Amino acid sequence: RKEVEQDPGPFNVPEGATVAFNCTYSNSASQSFFWYRQDCRKEPKLLMSVYSSGNEDGRFTAQLNRASQYISLLIRDSKLSDSATYLCVVNTGANNLFFGTGTRLTVIP
Amino acid sequence: DTEVTQTPKHLVMGMTNKKSLKCEQHMGHRAMYWYKQKAKKPPELMFVYSYEKLSINESVPSRFSPECPNSSLLNLHLHALQPEDSALYLCASSQGGATGNTIYFGEGSWLTVV
Repeated sequence: RKEVEQDPGPFNVPEGATVAFNCTYSNSASQSFFWYRQDCRKEPKLLMSVYSSGNEDGRFTAQLNRASQYISLLIRDSKLSDSATYLCVVNTGANNLFFGTGTRLTVIP
Repeated sequence: DTEVTQTPKHLVMGMTNKKSLKCEQHMGHRAMYWYKQKAKKPPELMFVYSYEKLSINESVPSRFSPECPNSSLLNLHLHALQPEDSALYLCASSQGGATGNTIYFGEGSWLTVV
């Protein structure tokens, strides 16, 4: 079983839509969680960390459910510029980070 | 803009060549990483240096040889590579030590082996 599993998509949504991505992890001792965004032929960039209490940054909301071992990312009012691959990243400790396969999002005009 | 700098941005090398990828960060981070990324795949961890010591080596072939001259620099020496080694090589850094640290990526070095 993979450490981190994500639905690879693709997700094709119209502008203004709300879209949600989920990610599950296998190691219950995992300690920190992140969503990264990667544009085509670019490096991954941190979108947001994910905290147990949930956190929001503008149109983006991240949630963590430790009991079920899943992480989610909600994007409201999708913009064309949100089109990218979204990577779920889990840190199991000692600088050991595991990446999900990434979910490809395309926002359509 | 990324504070992790990688050179060169693009590299084409033959299978008998020896070349190096370089990475530098000035954020005072104590953990540095090399990742390999193929098209439409997530980054795969190759090596982790923590406080200038190799702490993780993910069973990478010996034709890839990492080096950490000091806490700001990380090199990846390449020798006798194969065409399937063509990929984007990403360097990253984090504060290191405690958990919960965010990692920051450089822009990557695009490697083509011919």
